[in-house]
Amino acid sequence: EAGVVQSPRYKIIEKKQPVAFWCNPISGHNTLYWYRQNLGQGPELLIRYENEEAVDDSQLPKDRFSAERLKGVDSTLKIQPAELGDSAVYLCASSFGPNSPLHFGNGTRLTVT
Amino acid sequence: GENVEQHPSTLSVQEGDSAVIKCTYSDSASNYFPWYKQELGKRPQLIIDIRSNVGEKKDQRIAVTLNKTAKHFSLHITETQPEDSAVYFCAAENSGGSNYKLTFGKGTLLTVNP
Repeated sequence: EAGVVQSPRYKIIEKKQPVAFWCNPISGHNTLYWYRQNLGQGPELLIRYENEEAVDDSQLPKDRFSAERLKGVDSTLKIQPAELGDSAVYLCASSFGPNSPLHFGNGTRLTVT
Repeated sequence: GENVEQHPSTLSVQEGDSAVIKCTYSDSASNYFPWYKQELGKRPQLIIDIRSNVGEKKDQRIAVTLNKTAKHFSLHITETQPEDSAVYFCAAENSGGSNYKLTFGKGTLLTVNP
């Protein structure tokens, strides 16, 4: 089966610029997650979708981050404006729901200069 | 919320030795405990998981044990090989209800020396 697909793989932007990441989950996975992983740390949840609904966005910095999952399939995560501290790997994952393994994409490595 | 502590942060073993990584969690309602392996520059991948209704699970050279009373679980890798070198993350999830969340530990960098 095709895995979780993310793009771009790498992104370098200047601070205050906008940036967007795209994710295509595994077919049939209703649950989609965006995680942020800083160097030397474990992934931290930003937002979780059940189909089109964002059911947990408590850790999403809503003043600059936004996300959407149109038609309950693909998702985009946007940062506007980016700050130096946003430099990290942004991982998308999908699953069948609770108690089931997460399948991660390759991630987008964001560098903000 | 859930807090997952993972130890050690780094672990170096000789090829053929065993490696043990330990995690503790704070939420007694957590009932799903996966382990992920992340090689340098790659995505995290599930290697084994355990649910709260069992105390131990084994898959070839990898085993996980769970002690719900003490709220800790461990990953055991036997007969380690250089390709086992990676960062390993434990995680805990409270799957009761719709407001579930998977919380990761900070990771253990395992180095297997030939």
